[in-house]
Amino acid sequence: EDQVTQSPEALRLQEGESSSLNCSYTVSGLRGLFWYRQDPGKGPEFLFTLYSAGEEKEKERLKATLTKKESFLHITAPKPEDSATYLCAVQAGSNTGKLIFGQGTTLQVKP
Amino acid sequence: NAGVTQTPKFRILKIGQSMTLQCTQDMNHNYMYWYRQDPGMGLKLIYYSVGAGITDKGEVPNGYNVSRSTTEDFPLRLELAAPSQTSVYFCASTPKGTGTQPQHFGDGTRLSIL
Repeated sequence: EDQVTQSPEALRLQEGESSSLNCSYTVSGLRGLFWYRQDPGKGPEFLFTLYSAGEEKEKERLKATLTKKESFLHITAPKPEDSATYLCAVQAGSNTGKLIFGQGTTLQVKP
Repeated sequence: NAGVTQTPKFRILKIGQSMTLQCTQDMNHNYMYWYRQDPGMGLKLIYYSVGAGITDKGEVPNGYNVSRSTTEDFPLRLELAAPSQTSVYFCASTPKGTGTQPQHFGDGTRLSIL
């Protein structure tokens, strides 16, 4: 059964304190791994797509990496505005675009 | 360009009532999806559609129905509402293509069944 697990469930950081969020996956035929950011009361907002092991993508203070079993979202010198829930999702199997989501990591960055 | 628009934003229903959650997109995307999100949980796929007239079940379809008569609209119907359907519902869309395209989400409908 295809499965996505994120850890930790919640993370509290001081401003400037770098850390990483983990997304472990078990799927047949990975087509892509997605990272989304979700603010309270809003829908998920797309951040990155990773397609193959060894791939990395960066955007401001965020960097996403991918191995054959997991993905990491590294947050360098976070700011309070980075506080949000970060969702990982995988697309596998047929080309219908269906996503399997992890449960998310809620990040709080304190000034 | 509004993207994905969901209405209503909030709704309270009584047990046994029915309602339709509306979703429309103006990006000419072929693929559309309905998810539900419960507290502390990820998004679970309810139904999806790969084009007008074509729909299929996702992971948690029981208690819901969908239709897709146009490319733009993908309404979700709740029949005989139950407390277990209290959740936040998200609609998403993505273009059809040879690559893996990210989904674009609306801001959700928050539904309470009392």
